[in-house]
Amino acid sequence: SQQGEEDPQALSIQEGENATMNCSYKTSINNLQWYRQNSGRGLVHLILIRSNEREKHSGRLRVTLDTSKKSSSLLITASRAADTASYFCATDAGVNTGFQKLVFGTGTRLLVSP
Amino acid sequence: DSGVTQTPKHLITATGQRVTLRCSPRSGDLSVYWYQQSLDQGLQFLIQYYNGEERAKGNILERFSAQQFPDLHSELNLSSLELGDSALYFCASTRSSGANVLTFGAGSRLTVL
Repeated sequence: SQQGEEDPQALSIQEGENATMNCSYKTSINNLQWYRQNSGRGLVHLILIRSNEREKHSGRLRVTLDTSKKSSSLLITASRAADTASYFCATDAGVNTGFQKLVFGTGTRLLVSP
Repeated sequence: DSGVTQTPKHLITATGQRVTLRCSPRSGDLSVYWYQQSLDQGLQFLIQYYNGEERAKGNILERFSAQQFPDLHSELNLSSLELGDSALYFCASTRSSGANVLTFGAGSRLTVL
């Protein structure tokens, strides 16, 4: 079963608007990551936030993490048509085991229209 | 180009057949992960190798097997193929077994007819 569940499953916005995607997970984590996937292509790492961090920024991306609620959000500001892709959260399901088993959520499909 | 090379890019085969997918990790990366992505199952973790040894196992079927060779490339073998095995198979690599960020290949699209 998936460790993470993204919400919404699909999101359609206009260029210039902000896009917010949410991720909920089930077990304790060391860190949470967000990846992007253009249609049918490999995933690309966007940002990593550690369990002791609450917020992180990278360019137009802002990620928050609430470990008490086991949830994270990804905000893309001033979206562009090129941001159209699927976005996945991923958590490490090997806490304290010395190895990493990165488990991905179900993804949010973002469509940004010009 | 991520530096992770997967071959073949596309593969069409029949039920009952066997195929081998190959992955060359990014230079310097010792750990290789295999994931399966299908429409109804999302991205499923299959198996991880580190420097030739199996380190973690996920939802990998008994009909599937993998290995990592001394030159660090990895192969995923899929046998007795079923229609439901049609999917994108991704390989990803990291520097160490505990490294955090995965670098993904472009994937191998398997179609079973």
